[in-house]
Amino acid sequence: GAGVSQSPSNKVTEKGKDVELRCDPISGHTALYWYRQRLGQGLEFLIYFQGNSAPDKSGLPSDRFSAERTGESVSTLTIQRTQQEDSAVYLCASSPRTSGGAAYNEQFFGPGTRLTVL
Amino acid sequence: TQLLEQSPQFLSIQEGENLTVYCNSSSVFSSLQWYRQEPGEGPVLLVTVVTGGEVKKLKRLTFQFGDARKDSSLHITAAQPGDTGLYLCAGAAVGGSRLTFGEGTQLTVNP
Repeated sequence: GAGVSQSPSNKVTEKGKDVELRCDPISGHTALYWYRQRLGQGLEFLIYFQGNSAPDKSGLPSDRFSAERTGESVSTLTIQRTQQEDSAVYLCASSPRTSGGAAYNEQFFGPGTRLTVL
Repeated sequence: TQLLEQSPQFLSIQEGENLTVYCNSSSVFSSLQWYRQEPGEGPVLLVTVVTGGEVKKLKRLTFQFGDARKDSSLHITAAQPGDTGLYLCAGAAVGGSRLTFGEGTQLTVNP
């Protein structure tokens, strides 16, 4: 079966431009997560969707970052006016369900989008 | 904010050696997961531990959850070059729906 897919795989942009990163989760997975991973480091939580709503967006680093999810499926992470410090790999993960503390459900990760801001 | 500290950050060993990676926090977690990530790919789940004191084995890998559910360890016996990768621990807060990841341990097993 198809796993989590992300596009583009690589994105090079100029400082100040906007970028959109896409995530297609595994079909039927209700939970969707976005993370940022700087080179050689762990994952930094950005935002979590349950269905189409985002009960936890506390990890978004600034108001330049936003995300949406439609049809309980595809999600888009948008970074406006990109800065060099935004350069990182952006990972998306989906999970079959989560309710009231079921974070121990396995998260299935996509391969990530490597963003480079020049 | 719950933090997870992993040690060591980097580990380079010879094939056949044993190693242990540690994951520590001052916070209690309802569960803890270990992931392995290879270059250019997303992390892949190895194991989830839920009960304090729990020990799980996956071939040559042994995972332990501390009695107080604040720490965990990953022990690899007779490491192989194929074990090379970034090992990440991730904790789920009690009643939470998100994971807090450690900074990772980059393991290199030399033939």
